[in-house]
Amino acid sequence: DGGITQSPKYLFRKEGQNVTLSCEQNLNHDAMYWYRQDPGQGLRLIYYSQIVNDFQKGDIAEGYSVSREKKESFPLTVTSAQKNPTAFYLCASSIWRGDGNEQYFGPGTRLTVT
Amino acid sequence: AQSVTQLGSHVSVSEGALVLLRCNYSSSVPPYLFWYVQYPNQGLQLLLKYTSAATLVKGINGFEAEFKKSETSFHLTKPSAHMSDAAEYFCAVSEGQAGTALIFGKGTTLSVSS
Repeated sequence: DGGITQSPKYLFRKEGQNVTLSCEQNLNHDAMYWYRQDPGQGLRLIYYSQIVNDFQKGDIAEGYSVSREKKESFPLTVTSAQKNPTAFYLCASSIWRGDGNEQYFGPGTRLTVT
Repeated sequence: AQSVTQLGSHVSVSEGALVLLRCNYSSSVPPYLFWYVQYPNQGLQLLLKYTSAATLVKGINGFEAEFKKSETSFHLTKPSAHMSDAAEYFCAVSEGQAGTALIFGKGTTLSVSS
């Protein structure tokens, strides 16, 4: 079955450590996205990538970094510069079919930093 | 700039009652509009989308939404709530360009009581 996988489901880190969240898709989608979700704030865009080897900052990119070396993969690194990293992180992908850029989401990774 | 407003962060209904979740948008061009549902600790699942083909859009699980340009609204409805409908619902807007991210509302939590 095609889909998006995110691993791990739960992640715990100590403050000051960098951590990388995995996102893989086998949908052959060109575009991929990372969102952060906090209670009552909806989804906020961190980074997105329209094609391999290219990505753009979203609304809250500070303290995060990404890479897009393969079409299938879009890992997100939460650096120690991110002041409040504890959140639920969602990865998504999309393909343009001329009908609105519908996005497909992975199951998410809940990151807790103490 | 695009934006989405979901009126009511929490809506409570009885099983069998009408569900109405409100969404208003702003967009400088004809938009694409989406409703997603999220169950606890899971990713988002697409309920339905508006792509200008028809103003009344039917989605999964008995949900539908009506696009009203004059009111800049895209409210989600279901005639009869079921316990399994309890979840968080997000409205999102896109201007439809390939690879552009969605803009999400802050979400509405639907509670269903027996």
